[in-house]
Amino acid sequence: EAQVTQNPRYLITVTGKKLTVTCSQNMNHEYMSWYRQDPGLGLRQIYYSMNVEVTDKGDVPEGYKVSRKEKRNFPLILESPSPNQTSLYFCASSLYPGGAQVNEQYFGPGTRLTVT
Amino acid sequence: SQKIEQNSEALNIQEGKTATLTCNYTNYSPAYLQWYRQDPGRGPVFLLLIRENEKEKRKERLKVTFDTTLKQSLFHITASQPADSATYLCALTNTGNQFYFGTGTSLTVIP
Repeated sequence: EAQVTQNPRYLITVTGKKLTVTCSQNMNHEYMSWYRQDPGLGLRQIYYSMNVEVTDKGDVPEGYKVSRKEKRNFPLILESPSPNQTSLYFCASSLYPGGAQVNEQYFGPGTRLTVT
Repeated sequence: SQKIEQNSEALNIQEGKTATLTCNYTNYSPAYLQWYRQDPGRGPVFLLLIRENEKEKRKERLKVTFDTTLKQSLFHITASQPADSATYLCALTNTGNQFYFGTGTSLTVIP
């Protein structure tokens, strides 16, 4: 089944304790992206990657890191989480999101993170 | 900075009627506009995409229009059903790298 998986689905942690949220897709997609969703603010893009070893900042990259060492995986790293990073996080992938062959994004199920 | 507004947070309509959702944007010239559906506790699911040079797109009971002069997209669901109840998001992109989403409109179809 074609899908984007995220782990963990739920996470409660404390301020300053480094954490990683994993994201994996099995569709051989070039493009992957991370979003956070907050009430009243909608989905905001954190980072995106056009291909292996190519990553770029989205709208709200502060406090986050990403890496793209393999095509299928795109982990999100919070090296020193703070309470304002409490949010619902979504990973997404797309075959090719722009140009003449625009495609839709496939989203994972989400990771609900609480930082106390 | 870009601003994307979707019409009233919640929209309630009777089953069988046409639902019309609005996506307005400022300070941006998107090349593509997408609509997604999001159910509670789940990730968004793609519905339709329209390009800046297209006026209208249809898929079954769904129709999207894109007016680059008004900086507005309208999303219509005809013959609405209770199963159409969800939150609908519009997403804009220019290059296909960075995406900007609206806050969404919650639609409830009343039987």
